[in-house]
Amino acid sequence: DAKTTQPPSMDCAEGRAANLPCNHSTISGNEYVYWYRQIHSQGPQYIIHGLKNNETNEMASLIITEDRKSSTLILPHATLRDTAVYYCIVRAAGSNYQLIWGAGTKLIIKP
Amino acid sequence: ETGVTQSPTHLIKTRGQQVTLRCSSQSGHNTVSWYQQALGQGPQFIFQYYREEENGRGNFPPRFSGLQFPNYSSELNVNALELDDSALYLCASSLRGVKSYEQYFGPGTRLTVT
Repeated sequence: DAKTTQPPSMDCAEGRAANLPCNHSTISGNEYVYWYRQIHSQGPQYIIHGLKNNETNEMASLIITEDRKSSTLILPHATLRDTAVYYCIVRAAGSNYQLIWGAGTKLIIKP
Repeated sequence: ETGVTQSPTHLIKTRGQQVTLRCSSQSGHNTVSWYQQALGQGPQFIFQYYREEENGRGNFPPRFSGLQFPNYSSELNVNALELDDSALYLCASSLRGVKSYEQYFGPGTRLTVT
C-alpha cells in the first residue's frame, strides 16, 4: 500500500472550514483514499473515502487532485467537537482489508 | 443497532503473564480486526478474522493470537507479556462485501504491563 504524508498538527477557528491535506504521491490506480478520525479516548471513526472523483457526505468533503497524488479533507463548518487526530489512509480494494495507519494530523478547533 | 463493545476497559498485568481481551461486533457485521495503538501513534494492524478463521495478519509474533466465535464476537490473546505490549488495543468490526472498508471501532482496552 502507498504511504501517506500529513502535517503533524493544524489549528482552525470554530465555524470556519478546516482543510486537512494529505500527500500520497506513490498511489496506484486501484488504491482508494480513506479518512478516519480519532477523538481523544475513543476508537477511530470512518469519515469518507474516494478513488478519483470528489466525494461529499454529511460529515465532510474529499477533494482528490487529478493526478491523485494528493487529497484534501474539508470539514465545512468546524466545531469544537471536531478536535481530533485525522488519519489519511491509502489502500487497495482487495481481499485483505487491513488499514495501514500513519501518525495523522492533530486538528485543534479554537473558539 | 448495537455498537462495538470491548472489555475490559483497563487492565494491568505483569511481564510474562497472559491476557485475554474481548470484543463484541456491531450487529450484522461478520468481520473483526484487531489493532494495537501505542501512545501518540496510529493503530497498527494485528490480524483480522472472518468466518472464525484468521484472514490476514500484521507484523506481530505468534504470541498474539485470536478467536472469532459463531456470533462474530472475538478474543485477542497475548502470551508472555512484554513491557512494549503496553498500549490501547482496538477492535473493529465490518461487513465483508460492498462496505468492507467502513470499519466500526470499539473504545479500546488500555493494557499496562509492569
